[in-house]
Amino acid sequence: NAGVTQTPKFRVLKTGQSMTLLCAQDMNHEYMYWYRQDPGMGLRLIHYSVGEGTTAKGEVPDGYNVSRLKKQNFLLGLESAAPSQTSVYFCASSYSLGTIIYEQYFGPGTRLTVT
Amino acid sequence: AQSVTQLGSHVSVSEGALVLLRCNYSSSVPPYLFWYVQYPNQGLQLLLKYTSAATLVKGINGFEAEFKKSETSFHLTKPSAHMSDAAEYFCAVSAPNYGGATNKLIFGTGTLLAVQP
Repeated sequence: NAGVTQTPKFRVLKTGQSMTLLCAQDMNHEYMYWYRQDPGMGLRLIHYSVGEGTTAKGEVPDGYNVSRLKKQNFLLGLESAAPSQTSVYFCASSYSLGTIIYEQYFGPGTRLTVT
Repeated sequence: AQSVTQLGSHVSVSEGALVLLRCNYSSSVPPYLFWYVQYPNQGLQLLLKYTSAATLVKGINGFEAEFKKSETSFHLTKPSAHMSDAAEYFCAVSAPNYGGATNKLIFGTGTLLAVQP
């Protein structure tokens, strides 16, 4: 049981380049999330998904796109990278049942630098 | 809407001393509250959670937190700090939205705990 995995672990991009971050979970969770972590700002939600084929915007969605074609995978795309997107990106997943709130399980993170 | 404030971005304690990390929340509905820990270059790991059952919640590694509605607080404590407790700690709040729960978490800005020998 690997939990939540993220690939790649590190990446350096030039301004304007594109890339996709992959998140995979093997816990059969319905909900998945993408966050960015910046010093002094905690974690901010970029996009999330409440099920296969559905996505929604979070707090800081601009410049990012996501897709959830399979229940176990959640992809985060940067179409044209900017230096402001230099950050550590975390994926998370959680169980769901009605209105009960469940904890989120986090991946190890992807450190992205845009030059 | 929910929000979280963590007082003190850096806290330093001596090994064996009490650890107290402060978290205050704002929520228009009964909240669910979480504490996560992040060790260097790792993801976040759940320490404990409050889900409206007991107000004193015990977590892993000897940590506990008390939900105080009157003070809108959920402070994290540990009686005796260990060197291995050095990490960043995040408080988070969530609540069901109308029509269901999305499990969205609102995080505080984090408190970096240093433990001095």
